[in-house]
Amino acid sequence: DPKIIQKPKYLVAVTGSEKILICEQYLGHNAMYWYRQSAKKPLEFMFSYSYQKLMDNQTASSRFQPQSSKKNHLDLQITALKPDDSATYFCASSRVRVNYAEQFFGPGTRLTVL
Amino acid sequence: GDSVTQTEGQVALSEEDFLTIHCNYSASGYPALFWYVQYPGEGPQFLFRASRDKEKGSSRGFEATYDKGTTSFHLRKASVQESDSAVYYCALGDPNAYKVIFGKGTHLHVLP
Repeated sequence: DPKIIQKPKYLVAVTGSEKILICEQYLGHNAMYWYRQSAKKPLEFMFSYSYQKLMDNQTASSRFQPQSSKKNHLDLQITALKPDDSATYFCASSRVRVNYAEQFFGPGTRLTVL
Repeated sequence: GDSVTQTEGQVALSEEDFLTIHCNYSASGYPALFWYVQYPGEGPQFLFRASRDKEKGSSRGFEATYDKGTTSFHLRKASVQESDSAVYYCALGDPNAYKVIFGKGTHLHVLP
């Protein structure tokens, strides 16, 4: 059974629209993260959450908003989408603080913005 | 700021060749160092970690030794197989923040 679920697997959006990327983890972890991967920036850290609290934000744009409704959920809302937002977005989790811990990654959501 | 520099681009080897992917880091103190592997269409997978000087991490025949003197954590494998073809990432646990910094990745092609 998949331990980290990301939905949808593929997503196509038009410029200016808004989308929500879903992430659920069933590993019992307390920390969750979002990463972005594109040809320009191979694996880029975006956000870290611990016990549903934002711990670090490396995303300059407020168009990206993580949402944690439950301990094992961390969704990513993206507003006013731009073609440059096209990338694969990975959710990850770890048992303890990520600085020292093994991270488990989901399969990713591939977003294409037209 | 903290950073990771690894062998860039692609490395092409034949089966049973010896592999070295270089990784150097820049950070204060003793950051944890990691290697991850990513296969096509999947998320990265943890290989192993080391968190103190001279500590060796290893998994699946891959190994690396934390060297604070040379600020390095080079990935090595004695005999690669075609199934090892993937992208390998060196990463650093930022000791002053709640995040991990990844290198740009090295694409390993192993030819049969």
